[in-house]
Amino acid sequence: AQRVTQPEKLLSVFKGAPVELKCNYSYSGSPELFWYVQYSRQRLQLLLRHISRESIKGFTADLNKGETSFHLKKPFAQEEDSAMYYCALSSGSARQLTFGSGTQLTVLP
Amino acid sequence: ETGVTQSPTHLIKTRGQQVTLRCSSQSGHNTVSWYQQALGQGPQFIFQYYREEENGRGNFPPRFSGLQFPNYSSELNVNALELDDSALYLCASSRSMGNTGELFFGEGSRLTVL
Repeated sequence: AQRVTQPEKLLSVFKGAPVELKCNYSYSGSPELFWYVQYSRQRLQLLLRHISRESIKGFTADLNKGETSFHLKKPFAQEEDSAMYYCALSSGSARQLTFGSGTQLTVLP
Repeated sequence: ETGVTQSPTHLIKTRGQQVTLRCSSQSGHNTVSWYQQALGQGPQFIFQYYREEENGRGNFPPRFSGLQFPNYSSELNVNALELDDSALYLCASSRSMGNTGELFFGEGSRLTVL
């Protein structure tokens, strides 16, 4: 069965510092991974997907199949990055998402 | 473009009762998925509906059931409520064709079972 692990419940960094949110997965097939974000008083929304290999709001995430990881990184954190971040893996005929338990990122001024 | 809307936003039920939650999908989306999010946890997949039929199901008992209507809106029904059913229930819609895997979520219905 698939599993997504986000080891940090809470993460605080200062504005301008680099940030890395960790995500590890367990899946027997070819993984399709996503990062979703929930800003305060907003709904859950897609931040980025590994297939696109894109940078969104300065965030990037590289799939490392050897380490079964999909860590989210940003070189210079901004206060508006403060949010709950969920790593998710897509699987099954319904392409259902298996979510990690989330990391609450706080960027301090 | 109209986003995913859910109703009610909050409700309180007692153990053993039944509940129906409703979801209107985003314009142009024909697939609806339901997720349960317990406090402090990530969303957990309940099931998905496409063309008015269940198209995938997570590890939830049969007392969790659903419907999808011709206009792609959907209902989640939970019978014989248990205390552990207290959670935020999220509806998400997507397109079946050209699906990039992105889900568009509603704001959720928060269910409290006493």
